[in-house]
Amino acid sequence: DTVLTQSPALAVSPGERVTISCKASESVSTRMHWYQQKPGQQPKLLIYKASNLASGVPARFSGSGSGTDFTLTIDPVEADDTATYFCQQSWNGPLTFGSGTKLEIK
Amino acid sequence: EVQLVETGGGLVQPGRSLKLSCVASGFTFNNYWMSWTRQAPGKGLEWVASITNSGGSTYYPDSVKGRFTISRDNAQNTLYLQMNSLRSEDTATYYCTRAHTRSYFDYWGQGVMVTVSS
Repeated sequence: DTVLTQSPALAVSPGERVTISCKASESVSTRMHWYQQKPGQQPKLLIYKASNLASGVPARFSGSGSGTDFTLTIDPVEADDTATYFCQQSWNGPLTFGSGTKLEIK
Repeated sequence: EVQLVETGGGLVQPGRSLKLSCVASGFTFNNYWMSWTRQAPGKGLEWVASITNSGGSTYYPDSVKGRFTISRDNAQNTLYLQMNSLRSEDTATYYCTRAHTRSYFDYWGQGVMVTVSS
């Protein structure tokens, strides 16, 4: 199975730019997707196919990457962005998710 | 507005069975693949099952293959997950999700909790 590796946690101040990384154990082409999960809520799709903004998602969110290295960028960060962010691949075998990056807004 | 409402969760003993349901509204149900994804308490996300829009094909990871069965009733806009031979490691919140083929999940239900314990 394709393993997706994410940093466990990040802390940034409002107004800053934050990048959240996701590294795949093998190429997933551009079939990488990003979700936001706020405490006590279901996940929400942010970015699909590496760089496409999902419907209703603010333009502060963007995604990039291909192959094995992907990035979710939030610029500027707002207090409401406190959440865990998951990447997910759909190129190889069973669909797999990263373990999530918990974003704290200082 | 797309809505996915799961029901059927609860406490079940190891080895027993449980069936989850998900009623969909706000979109043309039979145009979309559907999936189930779960999240163990305090843990990450795990894809559990997917089904094509017609119901003709189903897909599972090895962790549940042979124990779980995904199905759908397009006339009733309802998705199901039959879970047999449940194990403690199946304890999780189960989310019904609308899927873009075997790709990404663009809408998620609020989730239903399944606890497998004696």
